Amino acid sequence: NAGVTQTPKFQVLKTGQSMTLQCAQDMNHEYMSWYRQDPGMGLRLIHYSVGAGITDQGEVPNGYNVSRSTTEDFPLRLLSAAPSQTSVYFCASRGGQYNSPLHFGNGTRLTVT
Amino acid sequence: AQTVTQSQPEMSVQEAETVTLSCTYDTSESDYYLFWYKQPPSRQMILVIRQEAYKQQNATENRFSVNFQKAAKSFSLKISDSQLGDAAMYFCAYRTVSGGGADGLTFGKGTHLIIQP
Repeated sequence: NAGVTQTPKFQVLKTGQSMTLQCAQDMNHEYMSWYRQDPGMGLRLIHYSVGAGITDQGEVPNGYNVSRSTTEDFPLRLLSAAPSQTSVYFCASRGGQYNSPLHFGNGTRLTVT
Repeated sequence: AQTVTQSQPEMSVQEAETVTLSCTYDTSESDYYLFWYKQPPSRQMILVIRQEAYKQQNATENRFSVNFQKAAKSFSLKISDSQLGDAAMYFCAYRTVSGGGADGLTFGKGTHLIIQP
């Protein structure tokens, strides 16, 4: 009963480095999304996907890329990390109905120096 | 765009007492969903309760209940018989049902709940 699995839990990058945050879910959910959480800001939507092969931008997409080649996986890529991307990142998924709650991963704390 | 406002950055309550966390939102839609999520120090996001806007009846889940005032666009969370394990950040969130836009949740900035033993 894994739910939503995010890796890594912690990461430190230098400015300009690239990396991929991994997200996988085993609930056969069509909808997946990435949020970032900054102090005093709540959670803000970065990118989302409503199914394999379909992605779209959320509120704060700049500096991030996503792809959805399978139902299970939804990786988030930082092509050239910047200190402004220091944050806690959450992946989430939900079922197809609008009243379905989001199931969150445990988050990745990313620090960019 | 919808906005969600939590006007209380921090609240404190004695163990076993009742506390109410406030949330207001701004929307032009008539149908939508509202959620309360809890985030303990472990960082995990846990669903506490949800409300469908077209339902008049306030949602309840054990010690947690909401006061949903649609006309006032208010969605407060009441925690009865507060327990030490209730200490956490609480986030109010809104979801549209229009099918357009980001289709994600819009979150408030959170309320930090402290439980005094």
